[in-house]
Amino acid sequence: DAKTTQPPSMDCAEGRAANLPCNHSTISGNEYVYWYRQIHSQGPQYIIHGLKNNETNEMASLIITEDRKSSTLILPHATLRDTAVYYCIDVRAGKSTFGDGTTLTVKP
Amino acid sequence: DAGVIQSPRHEVTEMGQEVTLRCKPISGHNSLFWYRQTMMRGLELLIYFNNNVPIDDSGMPEDRFSAKMPNASFSTLKIQPSEPRDSAVYFCASSLVVGGRTEAFFGQGTRLTVV
Repeated sequence: DAKTTQPPSMDCAEGRAANLPCNHSTISGNEYVYWYRQIHSQGPQYIIHGLKNNETNEMASLIITEDRKSSTLILPHATLRDTAVYYCIDVRAGKSTFGDGTTLTVKP
Repeated sequence: DAGVIQSPRHEVTEMGQEVTLRCKPISGHNSLFWYRQTMMRGLELLIYFNNNVPIDDSGMPEDRFSAKMPNASFSTLKIQPSEPRDSAVYFCASSLVVGGRTEAFFGQGTRLTVV
């Protein structure tokens, strides 16, 4: 079973930052938090991952709370092409188990 | 690298027939995953291989499903006999597991319809 909790849906205005929250209260100390997204009909796409420190790459930023029980994925300037289902997952023993994710809709 | 390659992209078959889905992982990756996605159940992990060895097949729904990985560059998922409730999109993913890191790269999926 998925060990993360995400809101089912969110809207964001085009050009604005999209902040997607995730609770992972049962994560253990050596488990990474991963974010993926799935655009309609395509396979999931890796976005970013982190352990303790905040991370940034060309796609997004990841903010992890100090207690590691939650994180926020930030898309700094959302575009219409960012409309997708976003999954926050933890990886246990090499297994990536996906929950229901958050459907992000970016509106013009 | 061309990424994870799955074939066929679409498969329509009659109930009772055998179906074989194929996957070529990214070269150099040491782990391979088969997932199934439906509207009702979302994205489910079926089986996970590491260094060609099945590590966890607890997600395989029943004995009609089997998966093999004869070498590092090829895997199959077989359904025999197929049933209409097996209709879904099946994804293969591969990753290079190093320590606790394991970002997975997914193929485009095989859309299976059993009539």
